[in-house]
Amino acid sequence: AQTVTQSQPEMSVQEAETVTLSCTYDTSESDYYLFWYKQPPSRQMILVIRQEAYKQQNATENRFSVNFQKAAKSFSLKISDSQLGDAAMYFCAYRSAEHSWGKLQFGAGTQVVVTP
Amino acid sequence: NAGVTQTPKFRVLKTGQSMTLLCAQDMNHEYMYWYRQDPGMGLRLIHYSVGEGTTAKGEVPDGYNVSRLKKQNFLLGLESAAPSQTSVYFCASSKTGTAGNTIYFGEGSWLTVV
Repeated sequence: AQTVTQSQPEMSVQEAETVTLSCTYDTSESDYYLFWYKQPPSRQMILVIRQEAYKQQNATENRFSVNFQKAAKSFSLKISDSQLGDAAMYFCAYRSAEHSWGKLQFGAGTQVVVTP
Repeated sequence: NAGVTQTPKFRVLKTGQSMTLLCAQDMNHEYMYWYRQDPGMGLRLIHYSVGEGTTAKGEVPDGYNVSRLKKQNFLLGLESAAPSQTSVYFCASSKTGTAGNTIYFGEGSWLTVV
C-alpha cells in the first residue's frame, strides 16, 4: 500500500516571501500521479497542481510550482510571492495509474500561516 | 456552477440514530466518492462508485452504507451512529477513474454524534 508523509504540521511565511512544503511517498509503482490540494478555512478542497510521474518537467501553476524527485520519492510544493489568501491547509496526495482505478491517498496535511 | 452539492451541511445526531447524507453532481461524472476527514489526518475513502448501480468499499467502510440508484446521486447512510463517526464528510466525483482525472469535491458536511 502506498503511504504519503507530510512531515511539517505547520509552516509560517511572510507576505511576498516563498515557502516550500515537503511531501514524501512510498510506492513500488512507476506510473502514478501526485497532487497538491489546498483546503482554506471554508473546508473546500481545491486542486492546486498535479504531476504525472512519467513527466520529468516539474509542473507549474502561476505562483505554485513543484520539485518532483522520482528516485527520491519526493514531491515538494513551492509557493512564491505568498499572499494572505494562500493561508490554508495543504494536502499532498498520491494516485496510482497502474490500475483501472486508483484510490487518492492523502498525507496528513501542512498548515500554512501567512503573516503580513 | 453547482458542481458537487452535499446536504445537509451540518447535523447533530444522538448515538444510535440513523441518517443519510446526500451528494449530487451535475457534471455527468461516472465516479463518485465519500471521504471522511478527522483532525490531523488527510481524507480517507469510505466508499466509492464507478457507475450507476455499483458501489465498493474504500479504506474505512465499517458503519456506513451507500447507494447509487441514479448516476447523479450518491447517498451515504449511517445505520446506527457512533461518536467515532463524528467527522467532516466530503463527497467527490470524477469523470472517469483515470488517475489524472480531476476529482471535484463538495463543501463538506459536518456531523457530530453525541
